[in-house]
Amino acid sequence: DAKTTQPNSMESNEEEPVHLPCNHSTISGTDYIHWYRQLPSQGPEYVIHGLTSNVNNRMASLAIAEDRKSSTLILHRATLRDAAVYYCILRDAPNNAGNMLTFGGGTRLMVKP
Amino acid sequence: DAGVIQSPRHEVTEMGQEVTLRCKPISGHDYLFWYRQTMMRGLELLIYFNNNVPIDDSGMPEDRFSAKMPNASFSTLKIQPSEPRDSAVYFCASSWGLAGTYEQYFGPGTRLTVT
Repeated sequence: DAKTTQPNSMESNEEEPVHLPCNHSTISGTDYIHWYRQLPSQGPEYVIHGLTSNVNNRMASLAIAEDRKSSTLILHRATLRDAAVYYCILRDAPNNAGNMLTFGGGTRLMVKP
Repeated sequence: DAGVIQSPRHEVTEMGQEVTLRCKPISGHDYLFWYRQTMMRGLELLIYFNNNVPIDDSGMPEDRFSAKMPNASFSTLKIQPSEPRDSAVYFCASSWGLAGTYEQYFGPGTRLTVT
């Protein structure tokens, strides 16, 4: 998997939007951008993924830059339950053989009441 | 759907003892993964299976670690003999495929403490 860069930590207020950035300047044309999060004392959970277009689901939105060298995970209204470590991961779409999830340090999101 | 099930949730054992961690993947998933998480090294992939067959075990740290998947609904990760440096949280995950369009579903983990 290509390398991603994320801030170590971010802070947000409850019920405000949160924008979590991720840089992936060496992304290849077939790499999907995946986001996972890990709540305290739990296993990682899938949040969202995309290739080129912005994506929305019930958990979050993913905004992908036009050149695909960066992306932003958007939580529209942060709740205390969203406090977690968020991982941005690139995965090659057609490469089944070596297409593992490689977790970096992620961004620790703290949500203040 | 019960999700990925792991047992036990917590295990405390003494150095030198054998430890067996268990995992039941989501029904219908073809791939099963074992990860280890420590403060120092983060989340690391140890081994993964496809259709019950081990495909890549390059992440297994030593011969003391072994993993099996006797059928599509059960896998074990065994450490024999255990050492204090094996203390970590071990996660099992499963998915339908490896391509970048598939997500992995993780279990709650087993927290292993070796004294």
